[in-house]
Amino acid sequence: GDSVTQMEGPVTLSEEAFLTINCTYTATGYPSLFWYVQYPGEGLQLLLKATKADDKGSNKGFEATYRKETTSFHLEKGSVQVSDSAVYFCALSDYTGNQFYFGTGTSLTVIP
Amino acid sequence: EAGVVQSPRYKIIEKKQPVAFWCNPISGHNTLYWYLQNLGQGPELLIRYENEEAVDDSQLPKDRFSAERLKGVDSTLKIQPAELGDSAVYLCASSFTPGGQASYEQYFGPGTRLTVT
Repeated sequence: GDSVTQMEGPVTLSEEAFLTINCTYTATGYPSLFWYVQYPGEGLQLLLKATKADDKGSNKGFEATYRKETTSFHLEKGSVQVSDSAVYFCALSDYTGNQFYFGTGTSLTVIP
Repeated sequence: EAGVVQSPRYKIIEKKQPVAFWCNPISGHNTLYWYLQNLGQGPELLIRYENEEAVDDSQLPKDRFSAERLKGVDSTLKIQPAELGDSAVYLCASSFTPGGQASYEQYFGPGTRLTVT
């Protein structure tokens, strides 16, 4: 079945460091891909999405490119801030649009 | 606009007791989801509603879990009786999906953290 695998955390970075959180997927057909972020004590929020191969989603300095050849959707940010500390979830919606799968989440802590 | 509202935020009960969670989705959102999130894991879908119809409840443990979405707006998720293994965060999400597809953005509530002792 469809699934999402993301790198395990926790990840700790210094402010202004470069961030990469890896995400790979297994799916039939052409899924849509998402990154959600969960700040402490809050619900999940959509960070960015891509609905077809080679699309790049971007928001708040974060970006991820839908790579069908490597079945990946890695999250990157050039310079992280303390306020980026949160748990990040990679997710996919299958080709029917009826099923939604989340990864296990990667906790990021950014220290000043 | 107001977000997805869930209550209560926290609930502690003894095993074998019943418990109910309530969700009010964003106004106009036709699709409502209930997810289970265990510690250190991603959300897992329990049930999805299109308006008042449960279109996917394949992952809902029907021997003890039930849900309803009367009038296609608010929803209630119930567990009776609760077991120790039900301790988790229960998330509600909603989306506007004109084609009924889950590929549209889902808006999540803050969740209800259930502890069963």
